[in-house]
Amino acid sequence: NAGVMQNPRHLVRRRGQEARLRCSPMKGHSHVYWYRQLPEEGLKFMVYLQKENIIDESGMPKERFSAEFPKEGPSILRIQQVVRGDSAAYFCASSHDGGAQPQHFGDGTRLSIL
Amino acid sequence: GDSVTQMEGPVTLSEEAFLTINCTYTATGYPSLFWYVQYPGEGLQLLLKATKADDKGSNKGFEATYRKETTSFHLEKGSVQVSDSAVYFCALSDNGSSNTGKLIFGQGTTLQVKP
Repeated sequence: NAGVMQNPRHLVRRRGQEARLRCSPMKGHSHVYWYRQLPEEGLKFMVYLQKENIIDESGMPKERFSAEFPKEGPSILRIQQVVRGDSAAYFCASSHDGGAQPQHFGDGTRLSIL
Repeated sequence: GDSVTQMEGPVTLSEEAFLTINCTYTATGYPSLFWYVQYPGEGLQLLLKATKADDKGSNKGFEATYRKETTSFHLEKGSVQVSDSAVYFCALSDNGSSNTGKLIFGQGTTLQVKP
């Protein structure tokens, strides 16, 4: 009964490199949400995807960030040309139907930028 | 826009003390309300939820009542344990026309329970 799986758990990148964060939703879930948690802050919504579609990306920075959820395979959050300010914990959540259905969270990827 | 405000922490209590963590919200529609708990190094776990006014969510001795008149969803527990030490997040999900289910979180309240 695997929950939401995120990998890697920890990721270290140098400024200017690319970071790829992966999220496999719970079995049977086709709705994926990405959130970012900056140090000492709450979680901020970034993007909501269903299979092959971005539904709401209102929380995504306009540049360098992108997300996908292909028909096969995990959802990917991609950050190009990382900067120090991208250091944060990135959490993925999935739900069965979206809407007000409870979201189940992964353990997060902690991204550190040197 | 919609927002959630929690009392600032850390909250430090002795074991078996009574816990209240205040949460108020601002929303244009009729949101669903949630409490999530985060243990060190882990993701968030749903603690309880309420989907309409006057609903009471409860789980593991924790309770919260959806109060529309005061736009509040305060978390309470009658007798805390050391194992309850964690960060607690209040959140809402807009059930309006967009109804994407995205969560809007408060800033979190750290609870420390001492033996």
